[in-house]
Amino acid sequence: GAVVSQHPSWVICKSGTSVKIECRSLDFQATTMFWYRQFPKQSLMLMATSNEGSKATYEQGVEKDKFLINHASLTLSTLTVTSAHPEDSSFYICSARRTQNTQYFGPGTRLTVL
Amino acid sequence: AQTVTQSQPEMSVQEAETVTLSCTYDTSESDYYLFWYKQPPSRQMILVIRQEAYKQQNATENRFSVNFQKAAKSFSLKISDSQLGDAAMYFCAYRSDRNTGTASKLTFGTGTRLQVTL
Repeated sequence: GAVVSQHPSWVICKSGTSVKIECRSLDFQATTMFWYRQFPKQSLMLMATSNEGSKATYEQGVEKDKFLINHASLTLSTLTVTSAHPEDSSFYICSARRTQNTQYFGPGTRLTVL
Repeated sequence: AQTVTQSQPEMSVQEAETVTLSCTYDTSESDYYLFWYKQPPSRQMILVIRQEAYKQQNATENRFSVNFQKAAKSFSLKISDSQLGDAAMYFCAYRSDRNTGTASKLTFGTGTRLQVTL
């Protein structure tokens, strides 16, 4: 099956610093990737849709200047949490769209901001 | 906007028994896809089963099957012969069939935690 990786799997940072999370589709090209956020014992909430070569589309309430998304190639999308604060601590999951009907999820990144 | 509702926060089933997880959704669209995803403790999202709204036949994948009632906007998941490895969070999800980048986003329900007991 298709494989999507995320790096890092776990990161701890100090408040005020920026953290970059990578999402890679390893064996297919993905023109569209999605970034989700999941708080403990809650569902996945879509943050933004990342399209290769164009600006990301953010969901209502998501600060685009705080959560910077770059989809520079057909296999890589990055999410940068700028000036992270403890309330940004969460589990971040990406998915990559392989076909119109199929998305594959990465294993997630746990971010802890101290 | 589409919404997905899972009214059962937790369910429990004995090993080898059958359990049904409920999901309802709200949409004004006629063409869409419905999914059940499993999230085990590793938190890796795994696709369990998919249903195209235009298909009347209920999807099945080995021990997993759905009961899709389009008019009632209901999409339940039945797990037969439950196994210990089935214990996980199960999320119901909706996706529009419109072929644009943002339209392929998934809208998830709140999830049902399934426990499997011996």
